[in-house]
Order: sequence, then C-alpha cells, then structure tokens
Amino acid sequence: GAGVSQSPRYKVAKRGQDVALRCDPISGHVSLFWYQQALGQGPEFLTYFQNEAQLDKSGLPSDRFFAERPEGSVSTLKIQRTQQEDSAVYLCASSLGTGTTLDQPQHFGDGTRLSIL
Amino acid sequence: SQQGEEDPQALSIQEGENATMNCSYKTSINNLQWYRQNSGRGLVHLILIRSNEREKHSGRLRVTLDTSKKSSSLLITASRAADTASYFCATPSWAGKSTFGDGTTLTVKP
Repeated sequence: GAGVSQSPRYKVAKRGQDVALRCDPISGHVSLFWYQQALGQGPEFLTYFQNEAQLDKSGLPSDRFFAERPEGSVSTLKIQRTQQEDSAVYLCASSLGTGTTLDQPQHFGDGTRLSIL
Repeated sequence: SQQGEEDPQALSIQEGENATMNCSYKTSINNLQWYRQNSGRGLVHLILIRSNEREKHSGRLRVTLDTSKKSSSLLITASRAADTASYFCATPSWAGKSTFGDGTTLTVKP
C-alpha cells in the first residue's frame, strides 16, 4: 500500500478484555515499530521488529502486552486483561531498515485510539 | 523519561509570522529528526540533521543543531494555517529506535 495502515482506528473495550491491534507496514519495509502515545505527550517506544525477529521489547509496560510479526510483514499488538491505564493511541511505524537505520525516517500510521472503560 | 524536551509547549501566532520551537536532549546523538503530527493522525517526518551539521534548510523549514548545548531549533518561516500541528523532535538510537519529546503545539491563526 501507499502508507502504513492500522486497524481498527478506534477500539473501546471493557476492563479485563483482550484486544488485538493490527499494523500493515509499507511493502518492503524491514523495520517495524510500535509506540504508545498518551494524550498531550510524545510517542513512547514499545517494541521493534526487523523482519519477523523481535529485536527489542524493552518498552512493553508489562507481560500483558505481546507483539508479533510472524511473516515479517503484518504485525499485531495484543493486550491481555486490559486496564484503564492502557487507554492511549497506539502508533505503528515502519522504515526501510536496510543498512544503517539510524538516519532512516519512520513512516507512521494514523494509530488506533484505545479506550478502556 | 523522554530524551528530548520541546519548548515552548504551546505557541500561537498569526499567519505569515515565523514560528520557532526548541528541543533539548540528554545523551550524545548520531542525528536529530523533526516530525509533525496533525490532530488525530500519525507523525510525518520533516527533516533530519546529522550531528556534524549545524544548520539545514528544507523549503520553509530551517533546523539548527548545537551539540555542545544538546539543543536544536526548528524555524518555520511565513507560517500558514495548514502548519497548525504538534511538532516533535526525535533522537534515534540503536537500530533506529527513536525517542521523542512531548512536542510543541503550534496554532497558526488565519
């Protein structure tokens, strides 16, 4: 596709329910990132994939958060037993990721706004 | 904690005026990037400045970097209503993982 696509755009869940958020990166992009953005703040890193390998998951807040990218393209962020503090916008980004990635811009999707009641 | 901190938190100007926002960071960097985020949308990459560069231009954008002060500034000249957005600085680290500040919210009044 032309850009990074995330679905759903909005998700409302009751506390304790499990949710799954999907990210379709730009075709051919090796690197994929998940961020959490609270209202009025900048994105906070959650996890990073290079192809199907999850190379960094240091930002995941708890073991209730799980991310996968089994075929190196689409990624899913799953949150189990959701809590109110999980309410935020979850952003996915991808980059070409070949060679040195430090100077490659990240391309962001429009995010999933998650509200936990 | 965030690596970058933007200043001011909010800025309101008239169309045609210039807008300047600043970013400070804590650790050494390879480069610093600026992004824009329109309300309800994802971030869009604007410009990258490398650690060995002091100034960079792109259209109406001018970015400066002072590594001795660990700070950067973004200047938008001749602002337009369409420039209304939040602006974030970001510092990529290992494997391109980026750390973002909390942003400056810019409002340009027509």
